[in-house]
Amino acid sequence: GIQVEQSPPDLILQEGANSTLRCNFSDSVNNLQWFHQNPWGQLINLFYIPSGTKQNGRLSATTVATERYSLLYISSSQTTDSGVYFCAGGTNFGNEKLTFGTGTRLTIIP
Amino acid sequence: SAVISQKPSRDICQRGTSLTIQCQVDSQVTMMFWYRQQPGQSLTLIATANQGSEATYESGFVIDKFPISRPNLTFSTLTVSNMSPEDSSIYLCSAYTGYREFFGPGTRLTVL
Repeated sequence: GIQVEQSPPDLILQEGANSTLRCNFSDSVNNLQWFHQNPWGQLINLFYIPSGTKQNGRLSATTVATERYSLLYISSSQTTDSGVYFCAGGTNFGNEKLTFGTGTRLTIIP
Repeated sequence: SAVISQKPSRDICQRGTSLTIQCQVDSQVTMMFWYRQQPGQSLTLIATANQGSEATYESGFVIDKFPISRPNLTFSTLTVSNMSPEDSSIYLCSAYTGYREFFGPGTRLTVL
């Protein structure tokens, strides 16, 4: 199966800062999703982005499928952005099991 | 999106006992999954809950230990059987709506 690596493993930033999280895949994926797990453990689906760029408020994501990586951008960080960010990939176009990365733990300091 | 609820939200159990976790989705879905997440770790898939047939288990997980039911398109249960302290973890169910996977709030299990 595919391997998913995320970097950096930990990130500590001041409120208002911008950040870039990276996800690398060992093989081609047709299903790529980003999740945020808040400090209470709830996983929120941020993006389904097998290719291209999407934006949702202060968050945006870009996937370069041919180079097997995806980036998650967080602008003007707020304390509510704290938590763990996971990317996950699969080889179909949805409705399938995903392989999750190890996550990036983001801490936003007021 | 899908709204997913789980019961119980947390439990403390004695070793050797079993616990059944319920997962309810607010709409009919094709694919439902069960995951385990150890503290500070990523998610590990336990099995795919198939409606109308036996669940599909991942390597390292067996039906005798983690029996799963999927009686309809909105509901599934996971039982953790003959528990040991190593089963202490967060158990999460998920479902797809469209191309996206959504998660329940999780069940925090502590085995003494």
